[in-house]
Amino acid sequence: QLQLQESGPGLVKPSETLSLTCTVSGGSISSSSYYWGWIRQPPGKRLEWIGSIYYTGSTYYNPSLKSRLTISVDTSKNQFSLKMSSVPAADTAVYYCARQIFPDYFDSWGQGTLVTVSS
Amino acid sequence: QSALTQPASVSESPGQSITISCSGTSSDVGSFNYVSWYQQHPGKAPKLVIYNVSNRPSGVSNRFSGSKSGNTASLTISGLLAEDEADYYCCSYTSKNTLIFGGGTKLTVL
Repeated sequence: QLQLQESGPGLVKPSETLSLTCTVSGGSISSSSYYWGWIRQPPGKRLEWIGSIYYTGSTYYNPSLKSRLTISVDTSKNQFSLKMSSVPAADTAVYYCARQIFPDYFDSWGQGTLVTVSS
Repeated sequence: QSALTQPASVSESPGQSITISCSGTSSDVGSFNYVSWYQQHPGKAPKLVIYNVSNRPSGVSNRFSGSKSGNTASLTISGLLAEDEADYYCCSYTSKNTLIFGGGTKLTVL
């Protein structure tokens, strides 16, 4: 049974860097069949795709966030990570990690983690 | 990138059928058969219910079906149950190699 678990600080100060890690268990992140993605949802608002990564390190990003984003993968730890720099309060959201069948759908999701951007 | 357009809310009685629309453009929904639908209960992670326009993942009820015509995709739920009450989001791949979600539809089962 595949499981994904997000981890990281729940509170980040404005203008600082948001960092989250997704740990994958019950399956290998190095599988050639899947990409791994980040999606967020501000409170009471819609889902927004952030970006996705393949186990080789190949990435594709939401262009509206690309300048602030880095998504990386650590196959030795079966983890992938998100870094978003210079965060404003508007980046407050529940952040989800998910397994993705390229190029589009997410078939397995983490439970999500709330990140609040506030001083 | 703008969100795909969904009705904000829909409602129907138990046992009836409902269709939720998802309108895009020729650069996303209209160009690819890469439309997926997600069900989200309050406080929970989204759950995939339809992928590639009309395919159901294993374990999803056959009461859920999907279709597409032109730039608009649709999710139909038949034989509505109280447990179907949730938010539903569509998602499409785009010509810019990105993904875009819809604004979400709140389904109320009266």
